[in-house]
Amino acid sequence: EAGVAQSPRYKIIEKRQSVAFWCNPISGHATLYWYQQILGQGPKLLIQFQNNGVVDDSQLPKDRFSAERLKGVDSTLKIQPAKLEDSAVYLCASSRGRGGPDTQYFGPGTRLTVL
Amino acid sequence: GDSVTQMEGPVTLSEEAFLTINCTYTATGYPSLFWYVQYPGEGLQLLLKATKADDKGSNKGFEATYRKETTSFHLEKGSVQVSDSAVYFCALTSTSGNTGKLIFGQGTTLQVKP
Repeated sequence: EAGVAQSPRYKIIEKRQSVAFWCNPISGHATLYWYQQILGQGPKLLIQFQNNGVVDDSQLPKDRFSAERLKGVDSTLKIQPAKLEDSAVYLCASSRGRGGPDTQYFGPGTRLTVL
Repeated sequence: GDSVTQMEGPVTLSEEAFLTINCTYTATGYPSLFWYVQYPGEGLQLLLKATKADDKGSNKGFEATYRKETTSFHLEKGSVQVSDSAVYFCALTSTSGNTGKLIFGQGTTLQVKP
């Protein structure tokens, strides 16, 4: 079974530029998560999708971050414009069902550096 | 709100030593508890989990018991190997809304020396 795929693996941009990350979850997984992991901290949920609907985006900075999951499969996360404090690893995860104690499977992450 | 606190790292041990990484949590309901591991250059992997009080999760020689009375989920291994060197994250599922959202501790780095 193929794992969660993410691209790119690394990205370096200047502040105020825009950037997009892509995630392809495990086939058949209904739930998709985007987490932000700042160096030295644990991951923090940004947004959760159930199929192509948003379940939780309470911690997404909506003035600059946006995400979509068209057709309930792959997803993109965009930052526009980027700030220095957005430097982090962006993790995508997926799980089979509606949440609860379902195991979440994580991708390798995209490491973003904002200069 | 819900939160997880882990012991500060890094933890440095010699091979075959006993490992304990402390984890305590705060939650209003009855969360499920997890340990995830992040090996160098790799993504987060589920190590073990427990879904109710007194459950013991185990995998690869690691164990953790869900202690509701002390709100703890300490990770233990009897004899660590160099290959166990990684960052370990304790996490819980948020008790708000049963969405499966994970709340993580800050991570504990383990370094095992030969």
